[in-house]
Amino acid sequence: EVKLLESGGGLVQPGGSLRLSCAASGFTFASYGMTWVRQAPGKGLEWVSSLSADGGTTYAADSVKGRFTISRDNSKNTVHLQMHSLRADDTAVYYCAKCADYDGHGFSDYWGQGTLVTVSS
Amino acid sequence: SYVLTQSPSVSVDPGKTARIPCGGNNIGSEPVHWYQQKPGQAPVLVIYYDSERPSGIPERFSGSNSGNTATLTISRVESGDEADYFCHVWDSVADHPVFGGGTKLTVL
Repeated sequence: EVKLLESGGGLVQPGGSLRLSCAASGFTFASYGMTWVRQAPGKGLEWVSSLSADGGTTYAADSVKGRFTISRDNSKNTVHLQMHSLRADDTAVYYCAKCADYDGHGFSDYWGQGTLVTVSS
Repeated sequence: SYVLTQSPSVSVDPGKTARIPCGGNNIGSEPVHWYQQKPGQAPVLVIYYDSERPSGIPERFSGSNSGNTATLTISRVESGDEADYFCHVWDSVADHPVFGGGTKLTVL
């Protein structure tokens, strides 16, 4: 059974930093791209960042480029999202999702339950 | 960048057919995927590559994609189908995924 468990969310002040983690199990982690998608309260899904199975190729939305960095540790079946210079409009539930392909281009066939990030003073 | 347009809401009577459109410029040339999200829950993939169903998704869920519109169709709608539905494509020009704004399906 595929499981994705996010952690690291919480309350942070504007300008602060936070590191999200996603622990994966139930599949061959090193064979699939991974992605982070967020959802602001009452809003739709917004893609944040993705990376390929080997971590060699990364993609980031313009809204987070230069502030957020995605990475993975295939030895620990974990993907991370390092977030800096956080703003109020980064407040959202952040979902980790498994991509159905190696490159991180495809659809997401499994999703975690999400972790809430609140940026507020 | 590429824009996917969804109607904010669709209503349907139980037992009838719901059609949820997703509009985009020449979307028929790109594979479209659909997710269902119930309140307080994570999204669930219900259709991929326009019309393929993951295991465990009822046959009542189907998809099509042509021209400028992709459509998620739910036959014999049940109260448990009430949810938000999001379409998703890969924008090959911008080299990143795009989600539609979502459609809230209400079962009357």
